[in-house]
Amino acid sequence: DTGVSQDPRHKITKRGQNVTFRCDPISEHNRLYWYRQTLGQGPEFLTYFQNEAQLEKSRLLSDRFSAERPKGSFSTLEIQRTEQGDSAMYLCASSTSLAFYNEQFFGPGTRLTVL
Amino acid sequence: LAKTTQPISMDSYEGQEVNITCSHNNIATNDYITWYQQFPSQGPRFIIQGYKTKVTNEVASLFIPADRKSSTLSLPRVSLSDTAVYYCLVGGNMDTGRRALTFGSGTRLQVQP
Repeated sequence: DTGVSQDPRHKITKRGQNVTFRCDPISEHNRLYWYRQTLGQGPEFLTYFQNEAQLEKSRLLSDRFSAERPKGSFSTLEIQRTEQGDSAMYLCASSTSLAFYNEQFFGPGTRLTVL
Repeated sequence: LAKTTQPISMDSYEGQEVNITCSHNNIATNDYITWYQQFPSQGPRFIIQGYKTKVTNEVASLFIPADRKSSTLSLPRVSLSDTAVYYCLVGGNMDTGRRALTFGSGTRLQVQP
């Protein structure tokens, strides 16, 4: 499978704990994005990387959220001191300059439940 | 960012053509119009993108009038597997270089046998 992969697919945690999600983009895709989606809503943009540089961050990305893409390949999204409001599907996407301008390839997501 | 308005839900039957219209009155000159499809428990999937007039691919057609204030996604001869949420997005303005996608709430299409 050469699509975007995310790990884990499901995560249940208690309020106040830290969680980390991993995203592996499609090989040679230099652009990587994180989105968050709650039930019944469309995905909301969180942050964007081009190679290892984080070029754009949403105001949704509070101080408790941090994302990295250390070698321009996989990326991690960490949430510290989780809150119940963080419960959502966290989606990763990747793209290449060779695709349509708004064409992003999404992974299956990590569903986070904060108890 | 240009805001989009699309119907909350639509129903259709297998074999029919489905047209989903999206309004985007504040679209910027260089914005693209893009449609995504999302099945439950999956990430969205790119369907089609256009700037003006008509674009067609193996999955759908996209009709954009001259004023670009709306667009219509046309799905020919839908099947049960087309039951999904369809999102209309406006943006990707190459002048700004901004690459974040802005999704609305989408249109839930239910295809009946």
